[in-house]
Amino acid sequence: DTEVTQTPKHLVMGMTNKKSLKCEQHMGHRAMYWYKQKAKKPPELMFVYSYEKLSINESVPSRFSPECPNSSLLNLHLHALQPEDSALYLCASSFGGQGTDTQYFGPGTRLTVL
Amino acid sequence: GNSVTQMEGPVTLSEEAFLTINCTYTATGYPSLFWYVQYPGEGLQLLLKATKADDKGSNKGFEATYRKETTSFHLEKGSVQVSDSAVYFCALRNNNDMRFGAGTRLTVKP
Repeated sequence: DTEVTQTPKHLVMGMTNKKSLKCEQHMGHRAMYWYKQKAKKPPELMFVYSYEKLSINESVPSRFSPECPNSSLLNLHLHALQPEDSALYLCASSFGGQGTDTQYFGPGTRLTVL
Repeated sequence: GNSVTQMEGPVTLSEEAFLTINCTYTATGYPSLFWYVQYPGEGLQLLLKATKADDKGSNKGFEATYRKETTSFHLEKGSVQVSDSAVYFCALRNNNDMRFGAGTRLTVKP
């Protein structure tokens, strides 16, 4: 099973709302990632968790707050977002943090901020 | 730093035509190289990968060879199908740093 699941598939929120994106994998992977992808652009790395610890934060604004409650689950908490934050948010996982490990991606959550 | 430069396209081909999408990279050390494919409205799917120089990754008729001397990882397929229409991303991984090329949109017409 090489599946990464993400919920919800679509999310519409106002600028004052608080919402969360969820990502789950049951492949025993110990590294998990959040990416942001704008239309017709490549994914951009936001956060990396390795062994449930935040190891990389690519200067992401504090209105995005990641959380890794356990090795299978990754959340992204959203608060006070701006319309320019509308994008496809992709989660990925890999066996570890090594350079040869393949990242497996979920289908993404398409977020619209009104 | 690490970066990937990819032929942006769009590329439009007839069915059964030969496909090449160019990809070159800049990196320190020994990165792993990947091709991912993204169908409309979906996430990225791994197409193939290579982890060291001269490795050839292959899958579903697609191939790419890790060329350290030319820092390239060009994607090829001998005969494309309509179902290959998608966006293709070349990517590099150096430890936890993952970089993607700009993506190439491929449209295959019957």
